[in-house]
Order: sequence, then C-alpha cells, then structure tokens
Amino acid sequence: GGIITQTPKFLIGQEGQKLTLKCQQNFNHDTMYWYRQDSGKGLRLIYYSITENDLQKGDLSEGYDASREKKSSFSLTVTSAQKNEMAVFLCASSIVGLGGEEQYFGPGTRLTVL
Amino acid sequence: GDSVTQTEGLVTVTEGLPVKLNCTYQTTYLTIAFFWYVQYLNEAPQVLLKSSTDNKRTEHQGFHATLHKSSSSFHLQKSSAQLSDSALYYCVPPSGSWQLIFGSGTQLTVMP
Repeated sequence: GGIITQTPKFLIGQEGQKLTLKCQQNFNHDTMYWYRQDSGKGLRLIYYSITENDLQKGDLSEGYDASREKKSSFSLTVTSAQKNEMAVFLCASSIVGLGGEEQYFGPGTRLTVL
Repeated sequence: GDSVTQTEGLVTVTEGLPVKLNCTYQTTYLTIAFFWYVQYLNEAPQVLLKSSTDNKRTEHQGFHATLHKSSSSFHLQKSSAQLSDSALYYCVPPSGSWQLIFGSGTQLTVMP
C-alpha cells in the first residue's frame, strides 16, 4: 500500500499572492496529477507529469505552474490568487497513464482567497 | 473525441429502494479499463468498480455494473440504497491518454 500526502491542508491567501501546494506519494508511481474541484462540481485537470521532470498541461492550466523535481513529489503554484476564489486541489498518482490504471488521490488542499 | 455522459445533477432515492446511475461513453479504447469512482463528502475520490470485460457483471460494496460495449454503457446499480451511499459518483471511461474524463459526476442522495 501507499499514501499521498498534501500540504497544507488549508491555505488562505490574499488576492494577487503566489501560493504553492505540495504533494508527496510513496507508491513509487510514475504519473502524478493535479486537479481542481469547485464546490459541488467535478474534477478538472490542471497539470500532470508522466515522469520526473516532465510536465504536461491539462485543460485548466492557465494561472498555474507545476514542478516535478522528484518522482515522489509534485508541486502546484497558483501564480496570482484571484479574490474570493475557493476550491479544493486534489493530487493523484498512478502507475502509468493511458486510462488503464487506477488513480489514487490525496486528501486535498482547500484554498480560500480573501 | 472521447466523452462520457452521466445521469445529470442530483439523484435522490429513499433508503432501501434500488438506484441506477446511468453512464454512456464514447471511446475508441475498448480494451482498457472502465471505472466508477466515488467521492464521499470531504473525502478524496476512490475507485468503486473497475471493468474491461464486455458483458461481465462487476460487483463491489453492494454496487454492480456491467460493461456493454455494444451500447456503450456502464451503468451503476444497487438493489437497496443505504444512507452511507450518499456521495458523488464518476463514470470514467478510458481515454487513451493520461487525461481521464471525470466530468461533473452524479450526486446521489439517499433519504431516510
């Protein structure tokens, strides 16, 4: 078994601030993902990484940067927080992509922008 | 392109009654796994069911689904809904890429 940890659990920022979310996995998975979930809504892919140092944009990448410096970690940066923004950011990992393997999710980081 | 269509929005059912969440899909990757994910309130999504075999019933936690490639469907059913089944359910077909299609999901609420 393994686990995905996300830090921080809660993140409160100011408008225009640059904010960084971190994700660690000990599954030894190659592929990692960042999703955004707005209240009561589904998941939207922001960035994914097939392997260490790889970055691929998802449908919602504008306004975000990502970094995969190690196989086990994947960071997401909100480049300029938007006022009144509230969302949960979920990190996930899988053995490989291509839709054939289960994605394992972390508990999420809840972002509130004042 | 690849897509998924689920029962829209909110499904409400009374405890003890059957429930069915519809899922139809469009994909060319028919040999790769199809998933139902479930997300309970304030928790992360997790796999509920997985199937890649045509016409074979897959069961887990009282839920079952059968992949029908001829009709491009993978409906989720349970014969007797429980209060604890209230959650957001995603039907996730294979996409042939690293980007899975989670969509908006279907919110199931089981009432006492």
